[in-house]
Amino acid sequence: DADVTQTPRNRITKTGKRIMLECSQTKGHDRMYWYRQDPGLGLQLIYYSFDVKDINKGEISDGYSVSRQAQAKFSLSLESAIPNQTALYFCATSDATSQVPEQFFGPGTRLTVL
Amino acid sequence: SQQGEEDPQALSIQEGENATMNCSYKTSINNLQWYRQNSGRGLVHLILIRSNEREKHSGRLRVTLDTSKKSSSLLITASRAADTASYFCAIRRQAGTALIFGKGTTLSVSS
Repeated sequence: DADVTQTPRNRITKTGKRIMLECSQTKGHDRMYWYRQDPGLGLQLIYYSFDVKDINKGEISDGYSVSRQAQAKFSLSLESAIPNQTALYFCATSDATSQVPEQFFGPGTRLTVL
Repeated sequence: SQQGEEDPQALSIQEGENATMNCSYKTSINNLQWYRQNSGRGLVHLILIRSNEREKHSGRLRVTLDTSKKSSSLLITASRAADTASYFCAIRRQAGTALIFGKGTTLSVSS
């Protein structure tokens, strides 16, 4: 089984709808992240959480909110989706105690807002 | 922006050739990491170099870091078709902060 899973993998929705993207991990990591990827723009950090009670805004948090329900779960919500939020969304985790603080990525959620 | 900026944006080479990608950034850093992404999939960590290191090797990968120029390079030697992917640098400004990614270099290796 994958260590970092994202649901759904693909989603098509309409402008104005509320959308939730979910991320779960079995790696036991305390840190979790949400990124979006647009063609030619690389990855942009939306929100990150260093533990269950810690939530931080990233580069592009406007229009998004997050919830860290447990150490293993980190959800991203679009309260009222708009077309320019069409993108590939990635969840990632990392271990604060690791000597090599790399991030482990989920497979991504492709979101289309019509 | 404090993100890393990769150069070139795209690179096409033949199998067996070496591929060099560069990353420049604007702030002081704690470490710099390189990631690989196969089309539409999640990123995979390749190598990390700390601010007090100048060069690291991992298999066919060689990474250099010049903190005075705020730049890093990733060299892939003897490239293979399977190396075709996008490569991203990511900087961590301070220990305990989130990684900030660049826009990536798309590498195409033809056989």
